[in-house]
Amino acid sequence: AQKVTQAQTEISVVEKEDVTLDCVYETRDTTYYLFWYKQPPSGELVFLIRRNSFDEQNEISGRYSWNFQKSTSSFNFTITASQVVDSAVYFCALIVTGGTSYGKLTFGQGTILTVHP
Amino acid sequence: AAGVIQSPRHLIKEKRETATLKCYPIPRHDTVYWYQQGPGQDPQFLISFYEKMQSDKGSIPDRFSAQQFSDYHSELNMSSLELGDSALYFCASSLSFRTGGEQFFGPGTRLTVL
Repeated sequence: AQKVTQAQTEISVVEKEDVTLDCVYETRDTTYYLFWYKQPPSGELVFLIRRNSFDEQNEISGRYSWNFQKSTSSFNFTITASQVVDSAVYFCALIVTGGTSYGKLTFGQGTILTVHP
Repeated sequence: AAGVIQSPRHLIKEKRETATLKCYPIPRHDTVYWYQQGPGQDPQFLISFYEKMQSDKGSIPDRFSAQQFSDYHSELNMSSLELGDSALYFCASSLSFRTGGEQFFGPGTRLTVL
């Protein structure tokens, strides 16, 4: 069975601070995909990034960056120079594609990020 | 670009009533997923369909059933509603689930059971 753990339940920062959201995953499959989703107060789930298990290259997209380390089963997300609009719940999620899996997402518990002006 | 459509967006029901949620996936997507997100919780997988056949099942109560129709839209039927069924219900669709394709989520249906 797969598991995703986001140990930080809530994080509060002041605008312009950098913040890192932690994600640790567990799976016995060798082929899997990791995701981050943002859920703003309006409730929709917004896709941020997808990374497969064979690609450990870190990625940067504007103020967002992701650090994938298979050795520690972690897929951490950093927001640089945070803004009030970044306030949301952030979910890390996992898909495994082996066996009888049809690609269902297993989500972490979510981290509530509040950015104060 | 076309997105996943869910209807209704909001639904209020009484206990023991029945609710039907509808989902229209992105055209040509072959897999549909349903998730339930309770207040303050992460989304939990309920059920999925691949090419109109049920492909996987999560912790879906027996009171719930779902199907995918010939036009690929899907419906989640919920009977004997309980207060605990109050949640945000998401539908998502994807192409090529075998390669861990991105799941595109609809806006969700917020169900309130009184």
